[in-house]
Amino acid sequence: QKEVEQNSGPLSVPEGAIASLNCTYSDRGSQSFFWYRQYSGKSPELIMFIYSNGDKEDGRFTAQLNKASQYVSLLIRDSQPSDSATYLCAVLISSGSARQLTFGSGTQLTVLP
Amino acid sequence: EAQVTQNPRYLITVTGKKLTVTCSQNMNHEYMSWYRQDPGLGLRQIYYSMNVEVTDKGDVPEGYKVSRKEKRNFPLILESPSPNQTSLYFCASSLSGGFGYTFGSGTRLTVV
Repeated sequence: QKEVEQNSGPLSVPEGAIASLNCTYSDRGSQSFFWYRQYSGKSPELIMFIYSNGDKEDGRFTAQLNKASQYVSLLIRDSQPSDSATYLCAVLISSGSARQLTFGSGTQLTVLP
Repeated sequence: EAQVTQNPRYLITVTGKKLTVTCSQNMNHEYMSWYRQDPGLGLRQIYYSMNVEVTDKGDVPEGYKVSRKEKRNFPLILESPSPNQTSLYFCASSLSGGFGYTFGSGTRLTVV
């Protein structure tokens, strides 16, 4: 069973709309949660991280975490064509000094002008 | 400029010919990791390192070796590459592993 699941998409939203990206994870020991953005042909770039239940906002981005439901989401408000990319959810599991970061397969987002 | 540098960016090789992909970071990060990215499978961790001389297997370590003799360098070694190792490889580093990773530009490897 895959540990981190994302809808692969593609997800299309019109410019100015809210894009909602979802991720579920299987390991209840997961401690930290990350959202990366990856443009085609480029390397992943960290855009948000969240550790505690609830919402975390940074500009147009809001990350939401619900540990009881093992669910993390990313909302992008006022979506722009430049937001078109693949969004990767990543989950960190720590055990002693070991830190293993596991990624989902990504959701491809297209923002239509 | 703080960065993770991988070399080469592109590599075509033949089955069985040993190769090394280099990775270096200039941020004094403790944690370093190698991932491979394949269509539909996302990023899968190959090996990671928590500090000098401390490494551990990720999810797909078969066919790969790593070493961490210096804090800044974490090379990935394919002793006998096979076509199923054709992939896009990323090296990444993190200060402590808990704050997310910074990724290198990637190495696209083709094994024929």
